[in-house]
Amino acid sequence: GNSVTQMEGPVTLSEEAFLTINCTYTATGYPSLFWYVQYPGEGLQLLLKATKADDKGSNKGFEATYRKETTSFHLEKGSVQVSDSAVYFCALSDWEYGNKLVFGAGTILRVKS
Amino acid sequence: DVKVTQSSRYLVKRTGEKVFLECVQDMDHENMFWYRQDPGLGLRLIYFSYDVKMKEKGDIPEGYSVSREKKERFSLILESASTNQTSMYLCASSFSGAYYEQYFGPGTRLTVT
Repeated sequence: GNSVTQMEGPVTLSEEAFLTINCTYTATGYPSLFWYVQYPGEGLQLLLKATKADDKGSNKGFEATYRKETTSFHLEKGSVQVSDSAVYFCALSDWEYGNKLVFGAGTILRVKS
Repeated sequence: DVKVTQSSRYLVKRTGEKVFLECVQDMDHENMFWYRQDPGLGLRLIYFSYDVKMKEKGDIPEGYSVSREKKERFSLILESASTNQTSMYLCASSFSGAYYEQYFGPGTRLTVT
C-alpha cells in the first residue's frame, strides 16, 4: 500500500539556518506530493505541491522537488525564521488510492532566535 | 478564499454521550474528509465522502459514523463517546482528483471524561 516516511523530530535550528526535512514515499501509481504546515493551535494548510516527476513546488521560501528515481520529496529552506516554527507534514495522493491523502507522521520544527 | 469551518474549537463530553461534530465548506467541493490527529500518530482518516449521501470508511472508522445530506456539510458522529476518542478532529474538503489539495478546518479538540 501507499505510505510516507518523514524524518523524526523535533528539529531545532537557529534563525537563518538551512532547513531540510526528508520525506520518502511508497506508491503503486503516480502520486501527487504535498507538504502541509500546521502552526500552533491551527488546522493544516498547504505549503506546496508537485504533481509529476521533476516538478518543483515552492512557496514562502520553501522548496521541494518530486524525485521519482529516489521516491523522495524533501523540503528545504535556505534561511529559516522563528515564524517558521510549526509541524510539517509530507503527504501523497494517488488516483489508485481514491484521491485520499496519506500523511507522514509530521516533523516538529523549532527555530530559536 | 476557501473556507472550511468546524462547529466548535473545544468540546468536553462525558463517556457514553452522543457527540456531533459539524463541518461546512463554501467552495462547492465534492470531497469531504474527517481525520483525527494524535501525538506521534500523525493524521488518520476516519471517513470520507465523495458526494452527497455517499461515504466510505477510512483507516479507523470504528466507533464513528458520518452524515452528508448537503454538499457543503459533513458531520461526524460519535454514537457513544469513550475516553479513547479524546483527540483533535480535523475536517477537510477538496475537488475530486489526486492533484487537488485538501483544505482544512481549524480543528475541534474533543475531550471525553
